[in-house]
Amino acid sequence: KAGVTQTPRYLIKTRGQQVTLSCSPISGHRSVSWYQQTPGQGLQFLFEYFSETQRNKGNFPGRFSGRQFSNSRSEMNVSTLELGDSALYLCATSSGGQSTDTQYFGPGTRLTVL
Amino acid sequence: AQSVTQLGSHVSVSEGALVLLRCNYSSSVPPYLFWYVQYPNQGLQLLLKYTSAATLVKGINGFEAEFKKSETSFHLTKPSAHMSDAAEYFCAVSTNTGNQFYFGTGTSLTVIP
Repeated sequence: KAGVTQTPRYLIKTRGQQVTLSCSPISGHRSVSWYQQTPGQGLQFLFEYFSETQRNKGNFPGRFSGRQFSNSRSEMNVSTLELGDSALYLCATSSGGQSTDTQYFGPGTRLTVL
Repeated sequence: AQSVTQLGSHVSVSEGALVLLRCNYSSSVPPYLFWYVQYPNQGLQLLLKYTSAATLVKGINGFEAEFKKSETSFHLTKPSAHMSDAAEYFCAVSTNTGNQFYFGTGTSLTVIP
């Protein structure tokens, strides 16, 4: 079974630009969560989607948004990029989206904002 | 609200020595607890999880953790460290009221030959 894939793996953008990251879950997984990982803040929850609906949202500004498609693939968008948005963005998927489900992580997209 | 505290951002052990990584949680409802490992340039991989069954949980690669409600702890242990255990370890908590995971800030494990 193929794992969670994230594209692209690396991105370099400049301040003010916008970026879209993609996450393809393991086949059959309907829940997709996004995290921002930085050395200073660790892993911070961005949002979670289940069956194309956002179920949970972390404490991030509205510049961070996401969506999920009918095939469970998910995208997250960051508009008006700031230097502080430089981070590793991880997505994690699970089958039923229950609190006890194991989350399977992708390798991440490393975003650098110059 | 739930939270996780990992004591010690860096831990060094000798090869063959006991590994002990500390995790304390805060939760107003019964928690579900997880340990994940992250190798360089990779995503996180589940080591083990506690979901209210047996309090001593065995995971992959010889790791285990014990849920102690009285101490609000879920420390990760391994009897004998191996060089391949060098990685970043994260403790996480979730509950059945929010389906959201809260991660600790991580502990970097170094294994000294």
